[in-house]
Amino acid sequence: EVQVVESGGDLVKPGGSLRLSCAASGFIFSNAWVSWVRQAPGKGLEWVGRIKSKTDGGTTDYAAPVKGRFIISRDDSKNTLYLQMNSLKTEDTAVYYCTTVWQQLGLWGQGTLVTVSS
Amino acid sequence: QTVVTQEPSFSVSPGETVTLTCGLSSGSVSPTYYPSWYQQTPGQAPRTLIYSTNTRSSGVPDRFSGSILGNKAALTITGAQADDESDYYCGLYMGSGISVFGGGTKLTVL
Repeated sequence: EVQVVESGGDLVKPGGSLRLSCAASGFIFSNAWVSWVRQAPGKGLEWVGRIKSKTDGGTTDYAAPVKGRFIISRDDSKNTLYLQMNSLKTEDTAVYYCTTVWQQLGLWGQGTLVTVSS
Repeated sequence: QTVVTQEPSFSVSPGETVTLTCGLSSGSVSPTYYPSWYQQTPGQAPRTLIYSTNTRSSGVPDRFSGSILGNKAALTITGAQADDESDYYCGLYMGSGISVFGGGTKLTVL
């Protein structure tokens, strides 16, 4: 089955760090450009950042609110995408989704909840 | 800072056609923004409907279509059904690797 599954969400204190994972299966993950999108409680979707395939340079781009604090990486040998979140703020509280398009199929995981609170 | 704009809410009767739009606070949307559309029902993950202006994601019914209308991207639902009642988000590629979502449109079918 073609799917992506996020994990790693947790309750963390302001200023803390957390790493999310997105495990891909059923497609050639190494060829995919993959994004992180988040959704704060009761709010709309917010693009967080994206990583290109290594074939296309493997570069990353980030939304302004997370640039310098969040790092997206990938391990193609494990078919896994990561989101390292540092210096977390209360406004980072959200469900985090990974998403990509593979052979005309848009893929989203079920999301993982990150709560930043003291 | 350019904002991506969507109607906050829209209402349609079953069987009717509805067009939701996605614009910019400054400027016009063109195919170079690679407009995409997503559907989300409460408590569920988003679902990709359309990407690159008018390419339907696999499994999406052909009553969902994307286009550019005037200076905006548009999502047209032909023959709205009760289970189309959802939140709809558009996304635009703003250049320099950055994408932005609109605030979403809450579609009511009644």
